[in-house]
Amino acid sequence: GEDVEQSLFLSVREGDSSVINCTYTDSSSTYLYWYKQEPGAGLQLLTYIFSNMDMKQDQRLTVLLNKKDKHLSLRIADTQTGDSAIYFCAVANQAGTALIFGKGTTLSVSS
Amino acid sequence: DVKVTQSSRYLVKRTGEKVFLECVQDMDHENMFWYRQDPGLGLRLIYFSYDVKMKEKGDIPEGYSVSREKKERFSLILESASTSQTSMYLCASSLLEGADTQYFGPGTRLTVL
Repeated sequence: GEDVEQSLFLSVREGDSSVINCTYTDSSSTYLYWYKQEPGAGLQLLTYIFSNMDMKQDQRLTVLLNKKDKHLSLRIADTQTGDSAIYFCAVANQAGTALIFGKGTTLSVSS
Repeated sequence: DVKVTQSSRYLVKRTGEKVFLECVQDMDHENMFWYRQDPGLGLRLIYFSYDVKMKEKGDIPEGYSVSREKKERFSLILESASTSQTSMYLCASSLLEGADTQYFGPGTRLTVL
């Protein structure tokens, strides 16, 4: 079946770059998404990439898409303690009828 | 900006009680969703609605029902709450049907004792 996989945890030091990876099995997504969830809060749309793009940069965030390998990544440059959160990737299912979310990657930033 | 609000941030109920979780969106979105979030399991879709008075089961509808009498409001109902329904409940809305961008509310942390 359709699935979206993410590693569960990532730990980095403040000032380093963080790379959060996501792989998916099948998708008809026009857009592929990254959401951020801070402790005790809902999911906030962080960024997204159009499916015909390879890369999108938005300030400290860089999204890379490799459609051949079905791999999506989110790079956060100069990671700050405020970036500590759970990050979810989300893609459309093959039928395009729903978003499928990964289980989330918990990013821990130490000073 | 899209605003999705949920009636309570924290809720404590007793086993067997009927529980109502309310969600309101202010952007005239057609579609609304209820998820539950549990550690290690990610987000699981309970129910969604593509139109007023319309509902569709998600992946884990058992023990839940929903109501959508008005476009902006989507309610999740636990007919007889159980301890297994202790969880974080997230509501979301999207403008278009299908895999469109979803906007989330702040969540309701429900504890069933």
